[in-house]
Amino acid sequence: DVKVTQSSRYLVKRTGEKVFLECVQDMDHENMFWYRQDPGLGLRLIYFSYDVKMKEKGDIPEGYSVSREKKERFSLILESASTNQTSMYLCASSTGQGANEQYFGPGTRLTVT
Amino acid sequence: LAKTTQPISMDSYEGQEVNITCSHNNIATNDYITWYQQFPSQGPRFIIQGYKTKVTNEVASLFIPADRKSSTLSLPRVSLSDTAVYYCLVVRMDSNYQLIWGAGTKLIIKP
Repeated sequence: DVKVTQSSRYLVKRTGEKVFLECVQDMDHENMFWYRQDPGLGLRLIYFSYDVKMKEKGDIPEGYSVSREKKERFSLILESASTNQTSMYLCASSTGQGANEQYFGPGTRLTVT
Repeated sequence: LAKTTQPISMDSYEGQEVNITCSHNNIATNDYITWYQQFPSQGPRFIIQGYKTKVTNEVASLFIPADRKSSTLSLPRVSLSDTAVYYCLVVRMDSNYQLIWGAGTKLIIKP
């Protein structure tokens, strides 16, 4: 089975802190994604990557950056956390072309106080 | 602006067939339609994907009319364990790759 793991299930940070969310997949997938999920808004794509060191902005990239130094790992960085970044963050991976099935991690519930 | 719209919530009873419809009026030629299921405290899980007409797998069917402006996820004989949030996703495969998610339909199955 494909496994996508995220470094933390719950995280509490203070406003202004730099926050790292890590995601690792074990199926050699080319594509990796970071989403945030908020009630009533569904999933919104922050960034995605289709190869090592490649990244593309999603719908809401402002306030976030990403890093993909190895194929299996995709990191989401909040340079200076703000309270409006309190959310559930979901990582996903997929293989091949963009329409293929995405496999999701369990999510990280981030609270910024 | 591309958008997918689905009902916020639905109720049904065990043993019934449930149909959830998603509207995607601005669907483009190369777009694919995908549905995901999400349980609390878990990430979404792929259910089914289609391009046109009808697709069926072991858990669901997906009906897509000829104009492709909507799609209907059909869950046969639901059980309590089908209580979840169901997301419609349009994957845009043209020069600007886009993932157009619906806001999700919370399906509650009653005994």
